[in-house]
Amino acid sequence: QQQVKQSPQSLIVQKGGISIINCAYENTAFDYFPWYQQFPGKGPALLIAIRPDVSEKKEGRFTISFNKSAKQFSLHIMDSQPGDSATYFCAASGSYNTDKLIFGTGTRLQVFP
Amino acid sequence: GAVVSQHPSWVICKSGTSVKIECRSLDFQATTMFWYRQFPKQSLMLMATSNEGSKATYEQGVEKDKFLINHASLTLSTLTVTSAHPEDSSFYICSASLPGDGKLFFGSGTQLSVL
Repeated sequence: QQQVKQSPQSLIVQKGGISIINCAYENTAFDYFPWYQQFPGKGPALLIAIRPDVSEKKEGRFTISFNKSAKQFSLHIMDSQPGDSATYFCAASGSYNTDKLIFGTGTRLQVFP
Repeated sequence: GAVVSQHPSWVICKSGTSVKIECRSLDFQATTMFWYRQFPKQSLMLMATSNEGSKATYEQGVEKDKFLINHASLTLSTLTVTSAHPEDSSFYICSASLPGDGKLFFGSGTQLSVL
């Protein structure tokens, strides 16, 4: 019940295209859902995050869509660029312990020119 | 965003030696820091929660005597891998959250290679 399932494992997108990564969770106590971007040999960097009181959050080219009833959330990267090539992790935590994140398995995104 | 500094970035050591990794919150005080371990092409696995002024809380399966954590101040937590062996070779990452904010910020990670 503590798992966060992430798909796909890898994704290849052409420059300018839309990258979509999906995550699903089971624990209804989760109420904080961040996405992290990680480049090789570096620590993860917080990209964007959402709480269940909204169904969508947009920051620049990055959008999180959240479906509370389905217990799913996704990351959309619009106008994907080669510089977006990285590994993306979704995560979740509950208000009972907002710091203790449960991470998804990661998606390796490659954007080709 | 908040800055979490981790040092060293990489370390190579002989089997049987101990290695210390430092994690600092540069522009905020962190009563709680977290240590993660990441194997190549895998997700982050929480090892332990570091609590300032008290003992760390370890996740199931993590040897507390092997991975010593000290959180002596509000801006510094250290992870010491004692008697390191090749199977301890991994990418270790620390993190800290802004008080009252909940956002978790990560250090740049430490690649440990044990020969």
